[in-house]
Amino acid sequence: AQSVTQPDIHITVSEGASLELRCNYSYGATPYLFWYVQSPGQGLQLLLKYFSGDTLVQGIKGFEAEFKRSQSSFNLRKPSVHWSDAAEYFCAVGEGSARQLTFGSGTQLTVLP
Amino acid sequence: EADIYQTPRYLVIGTGKKITLECSQTMGHDKMYWYQQDPGMELHLIHYSYGVNSTEKGDLSSESTVSRIRTEHFPLTLESARPSHTSQYLCASRAGGPHNEQFFGPGTRLTVL
Repeated sequence: AQSVTQPDIHITVSEGASLELRCNYSYGATPYLFWYVQSPGQGLQLLLKYFSGDTLVQGIKGFEAEFKRSQSSFNLRKPSVHWSDAAEYFCAVGEGSARQLTFGSGTQLTVLP
Repeated sequence: EADIYQTPRYLVIGTGKKITLECSQTMGHDKMYWYQQDPGMELHLIHYSYGVNSTEKGDLSSESTVSRIRTEHFPLTLESARPSHTSQYLCASRAGGPHNEQFFGPGTRLTVL
């Protein structure tokens, strides 16, 4: 069975600083990888996804992620964080014919003014 | 405007009551999913559907049941609510094809007293 690990439960950064959120996955084949963001009381919004090809993928809101097969990682990055980026971030891997998602435990991001 | 809707957004109910959480999408997606999310925790898949008259159980065992009589509608039912069912329930849908992402509704926060 596949699994997703987000080792950082909570990260605090200052506004304008760079950000990297870590994600490691366990999956035998080429993974379908996703990053979602969840604001309080809301559903999940897709930031970006990876299936194949270029290992550096661009998403919405200035986010990007890099797929590294050798490290089984799919880390999310942003060069300059805005206060509105404060939220919970989930990494997920899709499997099966219905592409069911297995989620990591999430990383809560706090942005200091 | 294509979207995915969940009602009610919040529900507080007593033990033993029967409840139905509604989920509808206007995107014509074949695949639909229900996830359960405890506060501050990851999402766990409890049910999914490939299409009309198709329902499958997810990774997390759940006492809830689902039905898929119409493409756009995927309700979740608890015959007898218990305090252990207190959680957030998120519905999602996805178009066919391996590279499409899941779109999430805003969720229903259920509290069983």
